[in-house]
This record gives sequence, structure tokens and C-alpha cells, in this order.
Amino acid sequence: EVVLTQSPDTLSLSPGERATLSCRASQSVSSSYLAWYQQKPGQTPRLLIYRASTRATGIPDRFSGSGSGTDFTLTISRLEPEDFAVYYCQQYGSSPRYSFGQGTKLEMK
Amino acid sequence: EAQVLESGGGLEQPGGSLRLSCVGSGFTFSGCAMTWVRQAPGKGLDWVATVLIGGGGSYYADSVKGRFTISRDNSKNTVYLQMNSLRADDTALYYCAKNFPGSGSFDIWGQGTLVTVSS
Repeated sequence: EVVLTQSPDTLSLSPGERATLSCRASQSVSSSYLAWYQQKPGQTPRLLIYRASTRATGIPDRFSGSGSGTDFTLTISRLEPEDFAVYYCQQYGSSPRYSFGQGTKLEMK
Repeated sequence: EAQVLESGGGLEQPGGSLRLSCVGSGFTFSGCAMTWVRQAPGKGLDWVATVLIGGGGSYYADSVKGRFTISRDNSKNTVYLQMNSLRADDTALYYCAKNFPGSGSFDIWGQGTLVTVSS
């Protein structure tokens, strides 16, 4: 069973700073099947990155994804006020077919 | 514009049943796998079930296997989640999501329908 563990649980930064969010898998995940989502309070999740590093439609280029195997990273180069939210990584594989990490809350310092 | 709209949530007693529906529009519904994801109050995202194109297969989280059934009716652009033997820990906002082909991810999400299991 693939378990995704995100770190840190909470990240406190200021607008303009760089954010680095980590997602570690208990077993190797195909890079083709690793995604990142953003969820703001009271809103539906939004797909940011798929296939580990491809931005979804309409996602600003300050968001980037990288990684392979068991270690993946979401980077936000310069934080905007609207970027403060909860971020989830998600994988597709064999068992379970799909799973999410527990989330990282990005809060304004 | 592609969108999905869920319905069918409500308050149900432990051991009871509910059926959720999700109607898709603005995309070729029959050509996309569809998924249910839930989120308990104040908690993270939890994958529930996925139905493949043409209803030719489905996957379930262990926590719902044997109790929930996902199905689809392409003539109505609708995916269903039949939930039986409901438990208190099934209480959550249930999202319907469109699978993004070839990526293992979900690109269109509904606003969710709230299921509360309580006596």
C-alpha cells in the first residue's frame, strides 16, 4: 500500500518568499501519476500540477513540480496573497488505486 | 465550460443507505473515468471510488469496499454512488471529480454534497 506523507504539516511564510512543499511516498510512484492540488477554505480542490511537473491549465508559472521515485516537491517561487491555502499531493498506482497525502497548510506569517 | 454537479446528500442513521448522483456537462462524459472523493469536516481528501469508461470496471478504497457501489449511466451523463451500511465515519462532504485522462489526476471537481451519518 502506497502512503503519501507531506511535510511540513504547516508552513508559515510571507508574501514574496519561496515555498517548498514535500511529498514522500512509502513506495516508488510513477512520475506520470503524481499530482498536486490547492484547496482554499470553503472551496473545492483545484488541480495545480499533474505528471509530477506539468502545470494544469491556467496555473501561474510561479508554481512548479519536480521529483521522481519516492520524493516529490511543489515549489511556489514567490508567494502571492492568494497562494495561502492547503496543498495536497496525490498518486495513482496499484494499491490503493488512488491516495492523497495528509496536506500541508501554507499560512501567512 | 466543463463542470460536474453533485446531489443526494443528507442526514442518515447508522446502518442506512443513501445514493449520490453527479451530472457532468461541457465534456465528453462517456470518454472519462469518474471518481468520488470525500472530505470529513476539518480533515483531508480521501479517495472513495472510481468507475472506468463505459462502466467497464471500478475501484474502491478498502474503507468502503463491500458497502459502496459506484456506477454510471452515460445516456444521462451521470455517475452514482450507492452507499449502504453507513457508519458515523462516513460523514463527509462528497466530491465528484472527472478523471484527467492519462494522468491519474482529477481536473474537474464539483462543489460537493454533504453526507451526515448520525442517530
